[in-house]
Amino acid sequence: GAVVSQHPSWVICKSGTSVKIECRSLDFQATTMFWYRQFPKQSLMLMATSNEGSKATYEQGVEKDKFLINHASLTLSTLTVTSAHPEDSSFYICSAQTSGYTDTQYFGPGTRLTVL
Amino acid sequence: AQKVTQAQTEISVVEKEDVTLDCVYETRDTTYYLFWYKQPPSGELVFLIRRNSFDEQNEISGRYSWNFQKSTSSFNFTITASQVVDSAVYFCALSERRNYGQNFVFGPGTRLSVLP
Repeated sequence: GAVVSQHPSWVICKSGTSVKIECRSLDFQATTMFWYRQFPKQSLMLMATSNEGSKATYEQGVEKDKFLINHASLTLSTLTVTSAHPEDSSFYICSAQTSGYTDTQYFGPGTRLTVL
Repeated sequence: AQKVTQAQTEISVVEKEDVTLDCVYETRDTTYYLFWYKQPPSGELVFLIRRNSFDEQNEISGRYSWNFQKSTSSFNFTITASQVVDSAVYFCALSERRNYGQNFVFGPGTRLSVLP
């Protein structure tokens, strides 16, 4: 149980294009989903928290107009990197939890984004 | 100041050795949760354990054990009789309550290499 999938697992795009990453909870309903980015050999940095049906809460320093998050259902959240630039290249990881902050976060396998 | 500190950046051990990964956290909350996650080379984070702030009992799961000491704000992780498959980056994380849900903070990680 508690499986989270991400699609795509990797993507290469040209600078200036937009990229959408999907995060799905496969066998449970996720009231809250989280988006992280991880640079090589570094820890995970929380980008935003999204609750189903409401606007995402972004961490300080994360541009909400650049990283669009949609959490339209209890099993799907999407992260769109708009007008991507090479500095946006990173490993993006989503996680999901059922309800309340006491619950464990279950992580997706990650999406490696490379912007040329 | 870092909320979660993992002082050991990298550790190398020979197979069958025991190894302890340190984690020190900082919080003003009385109720919080602590986690350990494993990130193998594939990149996907694997949940290992969750411990709430009111439960200071040590826990053992197979070759893994955890020592939670609230007095020193530490939550250390020991692998007994290490194996090559244990090679990974291990993250300690802290979860605190916030108005919008939770604040989930990862430590910088400890890269463990188990040599045959």
